[in-house]
Amino acid sequence: TQLLEQSPQFLSIQEGENLTVYCNSSSVFSSLQWYRQEPGEGPVLLVTVVTGGEVKKLKRLTFQFGDARKDSSLHITAAQPGDTGLYLCAGASWGFKTIFGAGTRLFVKA
Amino acid sequence: DTGVSQDPRHKITKRGQNVTFRCDPISEHNRLYWYRQTLGQGPEFLTYFQNEAQLEKSRLLSDRFSAERPKGSFSTLEIQRTEQGDSAMYLCASSLGQLDTGELFFGEGSRLTVL
Repeated sequence: TQLLEQSPQFLSIQEGENLTVYCNSSSVFSSLQWYRQEPGEGPVLLVTVVTGGEVKKLKRLTFQFGDARKDSSLHITAAQPGDTGLYLCAGASWGFKTIFGAGTRLFVKA
Repeated sequence: DTGVSQDPRHKITKRGQNVTFRCDPISEHNRLYWYRQTLGQGPEFLTYFQNEAQLEKSRLLSDRFSAERPKGSFSTLEIQRTEQGDSAMYLCASSLGQLDTGELFFGEGSRLTVL
């Protein structure tokens, strides 16, 4: 059974601080996605990483896919209150279903 | 709006009643997924379709749950004889499928409360 473990589960920080969220698995994925979800809404895709070792940047967000395609990280620089939300990692395996981690709930205080 | 749409957004029902949710995917997407999400958890896979064919169904899904996608376009998820443990957000997502990137585009979800 494939599992994705996210850490930390909850993070409360001050505006301007940096943070990193981790997503780990013992399984290899063909691609990995990061989503952000607001309360009462569906997840919204932020990024997809496909190649082992790949790094993608989206403004203040940096995403990295592990060399072995089993893990990923999301780093946010100078967090803002608008970054508050649930961050989900998800892994897909060569045409099979996408599975999700339990999420990291981020709260950025002004 | 050409995104994934779900209906109804909210449903309150009494235990033992049947409920049905509808999902309209992005028109050019041939894969459609149903997930369930409870408070504090990530989405849990229920089932998915490639066009009208149901290709996989979670073993966690009881036989009270059934999903259809009769013409390869919209899909319905029916829950029979609802139980309080069925209370959750039911999420529908679609994808292009053939590109196999794993990227999913979600609707806003249907929140079910079973009293």
